[in-house]
Amino acid sequence: DVKVTQSSRYLVKRTGEKVFLECVQDMDHENMFWYRQDPGLGLRLIYFSYDVKMKEKGDIPEGYSVSREKKERFSLILESASTNQTSMYLCASGGYTFGSGTRLTVV
Amino acid sequence: GESVGLHLPTLSVQEGDNSIINCAYSNSASDYFIWYKQESGKGPQFIIDIRSNMDKRQGQRVTVLLNKTVKHLSLQIAATQPGDSAVYFCAEVNAGNNRKLIWGLGTSLAVNP
Repeated sequence: DVKVTQSSRYLVKRTGEKVFLECVQDMDHENMFWYRQDPGLGLRLIYFSYDVKMKEKGDIPEGYSVSREKKERFSLILESASTNQTSMYLCASGGYTFGSGTRLTVV
Repeated sequence: GESVGLHLPTLSVQEGDNSIINCAYSNSASDYFIWYKQESGKGPQFIIDIRSNMDKRQGQRVTVLLNKTVKHLSLQIAATQPGDSAVYFCAEVNAGNNRKLIWGLGTSLAVNP
């Protein structure tokens, strides 16, 4: 089975901190995605990557950046965390397989 | 614009009954559709998919029906069990768009014992 691992289940960060969310997949997928999930808004695509060092903006990229230095790892970066970035963050690999999610709280 | 939406935000059924969760989509330029199940505190879990050249696909206790004429997708769960309680999402996939998923908002299924 494909495994998508997100490094943290729960994170609490302070406003203004730089935050790294890591995602690793073990099936050599080219495409990887970062979503955030909020009540009433569903899943919204932040960024995706279809190859190493390649990235494309999703629907809500503002306040985020990503890094894909190796095929198996796709990192989401919050340059300066804000309270409106409190959310559940979900990584997907190959488009269709999701990690367990990281619930980020920014205080 | 592109959108995928669900008819019913909540559904309550009795244990043992069959459940039907519906989904409407607007973008006909899609390759296939996926149903996901998401339990509280977990990521979405793939249930079943169907390609746009099919109208029905069956899995274990689940059946997905696709009606392209009216752009409607449904997930049928047979003999619903308490463990089926979750939020169910449909998603539309366009392979020509880097396999981006277009998501519905979800339907919450509650199974009453």
